[in-house]
Formats: sequence, C-alpha cells, structure tokens
Amino acid sequence: DQQVKQNSPSLSVQEGRISILNCDYTNSMFDYFLWYKKYPAEGPTFLISISSIKDKNEDGRFTVFLNKSAKHLSLHIVPSQPGDSAVYFCAASAHRAGGTSYGKLTFGQGTILTVHP
Amino acid sequence: DVKVTQSSRYLVKRTGEKVFLECVQDMDHENMFWYRQDPGLGLRLIYFSYDVKMKEKGDIPEGYSVSREKKERFSLILESASTNQTSMYLCASSLGRSEQYFGPGTRLTVT
Repeated sequence: DQQVKQNSPSLSVQEGRISILNCDYTNSMFDYFLWYKKYPAEGPTFLISISSIKDKNEDGRFTVFLNKSAKHLSLHIVPSQPGDSAVYFCAASAHRAGGTSYGKLTFGQGTILTVHP
Repeated sequence: DVKVTQSSRYLVKRTGEKVFLECVQDMDHENMFWYRQDPGLGLRLIYFSYDVKMKEKGDIPEGYSVSREKKERFSLILESASTNQTSMYLCASSLGRSEQYFGPGTRLTVT
C-alpha cells in the first residue's frame, strides 16, 4: 500500500529551464509535506516543506505547491542547474489522533532528475 | 552544524551473521529513525524511537530489532542476516515534527 507515490522514475531537463517533480498521496491524514534531495553515496538532505494550511511555499529557486483536493504536490526548480541532478524524494507526515506522530515520515519512491548543461 | 554519523559506510557480512549498525546524533533530538533504501522502492521505515528505551515498528520491521540506551545513539540489529537484507541503510533524527536529518548511509552487502 504505497501512500505516497512519485510516478515518474526519472526526469531530464535542460539547464536554465524549469524542473517539475510530482508527488501524489492517498492518506487524507497527511498534513505536512517535505521534499528531500539525495546525491549518490550521501544521505538525503532536506529541501523545502509545506503545511496543509498553505498551498504554496517558496525558497529561492525552489517552490512547492500543494493541491489538497487532488492530493497532489509538486516541486518546481527554476532555473534548473546541473548541480540539481540528484534523486528527489517527497515525504508526508500525519498527525496521529490523540497523540503525536513523532515526526514519522512516509516517503515516495523517488525521481531521478538529470539537468543537462 | 547538525551531524548524524553512522558507524560504517560499507559493510560485507555473511548469511546468518548478527549485524550491528550504529547511529549517533549530536543535536539532542528525541526522535531517531532507521530506513532502508532500495531502487524503485524509496525509503522504507524499519523502526523508530521517540525517547530513550522507547521504540515503535515501522513499515518493514521483520528481521530487525533496535536498541536505544542513550538519547544520542540508536542501533539497528540484524539478528541473522539474509541476502534480502542487502541494502542501503539510512539513519535520521528529528525534533518533534520538524525535518529529519540523515546520516551518510551504510551500504550493507550480505553474501
């Protein structure tokens, strides 16, 4: 039961253009969403997050959009740079009824982004 | 600067061996997590701990156990390693529901 899905295993983009990475979720209890970036032989690093009370969050070249009705979020990278080439994971957190989630995250399968010079 | 360290970057073990993977964080985080990463499957949660001596099963706990005797240290134990446990193992920590900080990972090969 994959509650967070990234349906595109890979994405190839030209330097300077926009990269759009997509993520869908099924659990309506998810209320906090994050994007992580992972280079080979390194651990994932946090990029940007969004709470379900918002529909957009921006940080420099990175913007995350959340469409709650469609249970869909996307990460936009503008302009894309060769150094952005990595695996991108979306993740979601649910607030457990009557308690805390302890920060537990559910991750998608990842999308390999390649930015060509 | 936040830091999560893992005891080994690469490990090769034989089937049936008991394997210990150690993780240490220096951020005084109460939550710690163990994941495995496999191609096409993303990061899957094995176990997590929200306090010393407290633990909860994640999505794929079978074949694993954990230990958290001190706040900064979280160990993953493979009681009897099997070839299907060959994977990249990632440790993370967090404060409350904030973002998780990850270690560099341990590439475990079981032959």
